[in-house]
Amino acid sequence: DAGVIQSPRHEVTEMGQEVTLRCKPISGHNSLFWYRQTMMRGLELLIYFNNNVPIDDSGMPEDRFSAKMPNASFSTLKIQPSEPRDSAVYFCASSLIDMDGNEKLFFGSGTQLSVL
Amino acid sequence: AQSVAQPEDQVNVAEGNPLTVKCTYSVSGNPYLFWYVQYPNRGLQFLLKYITGDNLVKGSYGFEAEFNKSQTSFHLKKPSALVSDSALYFCAVRDIRRDDKIIFGKGTRLHILP
Repeated sequence: DAGVIQSPRHEVTEMGQEVTLRCKPISGHNSLFWYRQTMMRGLELLIYFNNNVPIDDSGMPEDRFSAKMPNASFSTLKIQPSEPRDSAVYFCASSLIDMDGNEKLFFGSGTQLSVL
Repeated sequence: AQSVAQPEDQVNVAEGNPLTVKCTYSVSGNPYLFWYVQYPNRGLQFLLKYITGDNLVKGSYGFEAEFNKSQTSFHLKKPSALVSDSALYFCAVRDIRRDDKIIFGKGTRLHILP
């Protein structure tokens, strides 16, 4: 398996533009997480899905942020409109969580977003 | 609410010396605890986890962590540091009585000095 695949690796955009980040989880994993990493706030959980259903989106900073998981093999994180303070590295991670809690996260390489 | 704290932003250790990266947690029930490592320009990689059982957990690359329930700590340790261990280390916790959310600490940057 190629692991968790994120695209693009780097995104540079202007303030006000729409940004879409993409993630392909590891096949068979039933949970998907979106994290944002900044120097000031560290690694923040934005939203996570279990079996394609959003479970907790309390970490989504504003209504400008939205995430979807239309099927088990694809998820998007969209920012519309983007602002300079959204600049960060966005990580997608997937995991297979069983009833005993035996699981670990597999992270993608991240998308470095710069909003000018 | 569950939380995890890494009190040190940066730790410097001479190569060959033992290292410790500190982590404390807060959960309402029993915790699942994890350590992840991030090398430059790369995503996070799993190092080790504690679910139940032996308080000393061994993981990848010679790392180990000790679960201390009374001190609510899960410090990461290695007997002899390598320069290649220089990276950003994240402690994470999941409360088994709540949802499946994994919360990460802010990270500790480990510098191993040659």
